[in-house]
Amino acid sequence: DVKVTQSSRYLVKRTGEKVFLECVQDMDHENMFWYRQDPGLGLRLIYFSYDVKMKEKGDIPEGYSVSREKKERFSLILESASTNQTSMYLCASMLGGGDTQYFGPGTRLTVL
Amino acid sequence: GENVEQHPSTLSVQEGDSAVIKCTYSDSASNYFPWYKQELGKRPQLIIDIRSNVGEKKDQRIAVTLNKTAKHFSLHITETQPEDSAVYFCAASVGGSQGNLIFGKGTKLSVKP
Repeated sequence: DVKVTQSSRYLVKRTGEKVFLECVQDMDHENMFWYRQDPGLGLRLIYFSYDVKMKEKGDIPEGYSVSREKKERFSLILESASTNQTSMYLCASMLGGGDTQYFGPGTRLTVL
Repeated sequence: GENVEQHPSTLSVQEGDSAVIKCTYSDSASNYFPWYKQELGKRPQLIIDIRSNVGEKKDQRIAVTLNKTAKHFSLHITETQPEDSAVYFCAASVGGSQGNLIFGKGTKLSVKP
């Protein structure tokens, strides 16, 4: 059974703070993704990674960066948090192209 | 850019009725179409998927149909139950990618007992 975990369920940060969101999967999946979910907008892809140390921009990468030093871990970094980054952040992993994406439980981030 | 349109955004049905959610996609190279169910406060979970070489797939009360010519696919839930109440997302694979999905904006389904 695939298990995708995220470091926090709820997070409150101040404007300008550096924020780290971590995602870990235990199924040796090659591909990992970060999405943000906002009401009425669905899931929007921020960044994804096909392999260790590889990263690709998604549809809304501005204000975010990522790190994948180990295969099982994919981190999302907000260099200087802003109020418009208040959102639900979902991580997903996938074995390979054309397979199912499995989601983590999400992190609800509030930036004050 | 490529996109996926999903309708309706909200759907309310009586318990026992059928529910249909429709999606259209723009990328003719899309070949994988999953549907996710997200209950309140929980993660999206795959409920059914279909690939482009198949026109219909069924799993108990849930079925998905695909019309590649028209670039649309639909989710059908029969004999709805209150526990079917959730937000449903359709998605389509991005042609030429290694697994990226484009998601629809979601349909909030309410099943009234």
